[in-house]
Amino acid sequence: EDQVTQSPEALRLQEGESSSLNCSYTVSGLRGLFWYRQDPGKGPEFLFTLYSAGEEKEKERLKATLTKKESFLHITAPKPEDSATYLCAVPGNNRKLIWGLGTSLGVNP
Amino acid sequence: DTAVSQTPKYLVTQMGNDKSIKCEQNLGHDTMYWYKQDSKKFLKIMFSYNNKELIINETVPNRFSPKSPDKAHLNLHINSLELGDSAVYFCASSQDRSTDTQYFGPGTRLTVL
Repeated sequence: EDQVTQSPEALRLQEGESSSLNCSYTVSGLRGLFWYRQDPGKGPEFLFTLYSAGEEKEKERLKATLTKKESFLHITAPKPEDSATYLCAVPGNNRKLIWGLGTSLGVNP
Repeated sequence: DTAVSQTPKYLVTQMGNDKSIKCEQNLGHDTMYWYKQDSKKFLKIMFSYNNKELIINETVPNRFSPKSPDKAHLNLHINSLELGDSAVYFCASSQDRSTDTQYFGPGTRLTVL
């Protein structure tokens, strides 16, 4: 069965303390992996799409990487404004995106 | 300009009432979606339309009825509201297929009393 699992469920960091979020997936024939950021009371905001193992994309303090089984969202020297829930999703075989439950990230000043 | 917009932002209503949520996208996309996000933050697909044609119809109560008057608009009508319908409903759009990036609206928080 197609599945997306994110870990950890929640993470609290000090400002400047780098870390990584994990998104592991089981789907036959990966056709992309999406990362989104969701702030409280708002809709998910698109961050990255990765298509093949070895691919990396960066945006400010965020870097997303992809292997054949998982993706990592690396956060370098985070700031309080990076606090949000980070969601990943992959296309299933039935026209639907399969979503993870997200990682809730808090960054203390 | 807002890419995907929804109205209303908040909806508070009594059980048994009928309500509608409206969604509009100005991205020129062909596909639109309705998602439900519950208190555990899980995004559950409800419906999807491609060029006004229903292509995803998940197992949701038939009290929920989507309508797409044109490819830029997707509305959600809910009959006989129940307590369990309380959630945040998101509209999204993508260029075409599920492999295309989806862009989300700000959400409608529905509270059924």
